[in-house]
Amino acid sequence: QVQLQESGPGLVKPSETLSLTCAVSGYSISSGYYWGWIRQPPGKGLEWIGSIYHSGNTYYNPSLKSRVTISVDTSKNQFSLKLSSVTAADTAVYYCTRQWGNCSGGRCYFSWFDPWGQGTLVTVSS
Amino acid sequence: QSALTQPPSASGSPGQSVTISCTGASSDVGGYNYVSWYQQHPGKAPKLMIYEVSKRPSGVPDRFSGSKSGNTASLTVSGLQAEDEADYYCTSYAGSNIYVIFGGGTKLTVL
Repeated sequence: QVQLQESGPGLVKPSETLSLTCAVSGYSISSGYYWGWIRQPPGKGLEWIGSIYHSGNTYYNPSLKSRVTISVDTSKNQFSLKLSSVTAADTAVYYCTRQWGNCSGGRCYFSWFDPWGQGTLVTVSS
Repeated sequence: QSALTQPPSASGSPGQSVTISCTGASSDVGGYNYVSWYQQHPGKAPKLMIYEVSKRPSGVPDRFSGSKSGNTASLTVSGLQAEDEADYYCTSYAGSNIYVIFGGGTKLTVL
């Protein structure tokens, strides 16, 4: 059974960098699929942040691309999120998830997210 | 790229059927069969209910079904049960560069 678990600081100061890690168990990241981050501000909807393949290829939401870095550590079977220059608008529950994707011929297609981690609330405040 | 459009709320009585729509454009919902639906109970992580427009993952009751017509995808819940009360989100592949787009979510109430 594939399980994902987010970890990282629950409080980040404005203008600093938010850093989260997602530990994967029950499945080797190197075996396939894409691995993504999704966030949900309190009382609001879901927003895709970005995804990564075990090779290190990354795909980002254009609206966040300038501030986001997603990396993977296959030796630890985990992947990470860094979001720089955070503001109060970045306060959200952050989820990590496995994603189906298919990249070939320079074109990538992405589909469902499953399973999801339980989520971790990150508050941006001084 | 704007979010996919979902009605903010939907409701039905136990045993009834309810359909939730998800409207996009030819560049996302209408252009690809990569629409999926998620159920989210309060304080919980979303759960995949439908993928690739109409496929159901193992363990999801067959009361849940998906379809698509043009730029609008739909999730139908038949034989409503109390535990179906939750928020539902659609998502679609949106082409190169944008990749993934979510709907704003629909709160389903079982009366």
